[in-house]
Amino acid sequence: ETGVTQSPTHLIKTRGQQVTLRCSSQSGHNTVSWYQQALGQGPQFIFQYYREEENGRGNFPPRFSGLQFPNYSSELNVNALELDDSALYLCASSFGGNDEKLFFGSGTQLSVL
Amino acid sequence: AQTVTQSQPEMSVQEAETVTLSCTYDTSENNYYLFWYKQPPSRQMILVIRQEAYKQQNATENRFSVNFQKAAKSFSLKISDSQLGDTAMYFCAFMKMEYGNKLVFGAGTILRVKS
Repeated sequence: ETGVTQSPTHLIKTRGQQVTLRCSSQSGHNTVSWYQQALGQGPQFIFQYYREEENGRGNFPPRFSGLQFPNYSSELNVNALELDDSALYLCASSFGGNDEKLFFGSGTQLSVL
Repeated sequence: AQTVTQSQPEMSVQEAETVTLSCTYDTSENNYYLFWYKQPPSRQMILVIRQEAYKQQNATENRFSVNFQKAAKSFSLKISDSQLGDTAMYFCAFMKMEYGNKLVFGAGTILRVKS
């Protein structure tokens, strides 16, 4: 079975720009969750997608948005980038929205200058 | 809201020795999961061990075991026979046992295993 893959691995943007991060879920998984991990901190939940619908959202502003596609891959979009958006963005997939077994990708390191 | 606290920012241990990482949490829920994840320099979050709150027996996975004290809301991780490959950031995490499998993480503990 294939694991969770994220692209790109690293990204540099300037303040005010927009960015799209991508995640391919593990084979057989229909749920994708996104987390933001600032330097030296634990990951924080951004939102979750289950069967192409948003299924829960953390304390993040509307400029953080997402999509899930019919093949269950997902995108995280961030508009109007701010310096504080610099972080590691982790994607996790699972089978169902209440499956406690999450499988994580290696993340996308976003730097906002 | 749930919170997870890891009070040890950094720990070190000699190879082959035993080390215990601490974690406390706060919740009003009765049914939940607790986890320890390992994050090596590769950045991928790897599940070390999982505990269901309704189980009194402490979870064990090879050299890794937990001490789960539900009343005290404490969930420590013991690593026996520490190996150089155990060097990583360790996160304690909480998940409610309901629809919507959101993880709440602590701030992490850096563990360094020395030869």
